Amino acid sequence: GESVGLHLPTLSVQEGDNSIINCAYSNSASDYFIWYKQESGKGPQFIIDIRSNMDKRQGQRVTVLLNKTVKHLSLQIAATQPGDSAVYFCAENSSYKLIFGSGTRLLVRP
Amino acid sequence: DGGITQSPKYLFRKEGQNVTLSCEQNLNHDAMYWYRQDPGQGLRLIYYSQIVNDFQKGDIAEGYSVSREKKESFPLTVTSAQKNPTAFYLCASSMRLGNQPQHFGDGTRLSIL
Repeated sequence: GESVGLHLPTLSVQEGDNSIINCAYSNSASDYFIWYKQESGKGPQFIIDIRSNMDKRQGQRVTVLLNKTVKHLSLQIAATQPGDSAVYFCAENSSYKLIFGSGTRLLVRP
Repeated sequence: DGGITQSPKYLFRKEGQNVTLSCEQNLNHDAMYWYRQDPGQGLRLIYYSQIVNDFQKGDIAEGYSVSREKKESFPLTVTSAQKNPTAFYLCASSMRLGNQPQHFGDGTRLSIL
């Protein structure tokens, strides 16, 4: 899940397993959400987005789930691969601005 | 290829010096953004621009300035008034403001000499 500060929460998974990364967002009026992947020394890369009128959206090997009741967002990665190792950020759209969480590091064990 | 180009990749600033970070996009996007990222943290918005010749302060604008004279370009100046400028700076763009995925460059890492 998300936390504040220098110590990123870390999720360690076995290659081939499914990964679930969680995010709690702050504003109940937020109507658009994005997941980004950031590799070391690079900019965030768009993975998938979802609007507030949806509960679930699927992409290639990824699924985003939105629970507006508890203000919770999750990213599921199927059959996790070594190339999935990165920091993952959720972002919520509030008043025309994206507000980013502090990220979760995903480590994939061979 | 379409995308966002940030330069330089690494930049060093002396005390009392202003430095300018370049951001260029060829995606024909109207909106552009500057973020600051500190180690182990998320992105914080410095400035954003909805359209040419218009820009607005973000959450941490003090010590920074921007201009938007061309649609493709959104340079960020880190002034001497920014007392803690060491960070990773990221530029992004989107088709328009709000409810749109933002596409990022690969950042400029600024350090103090």
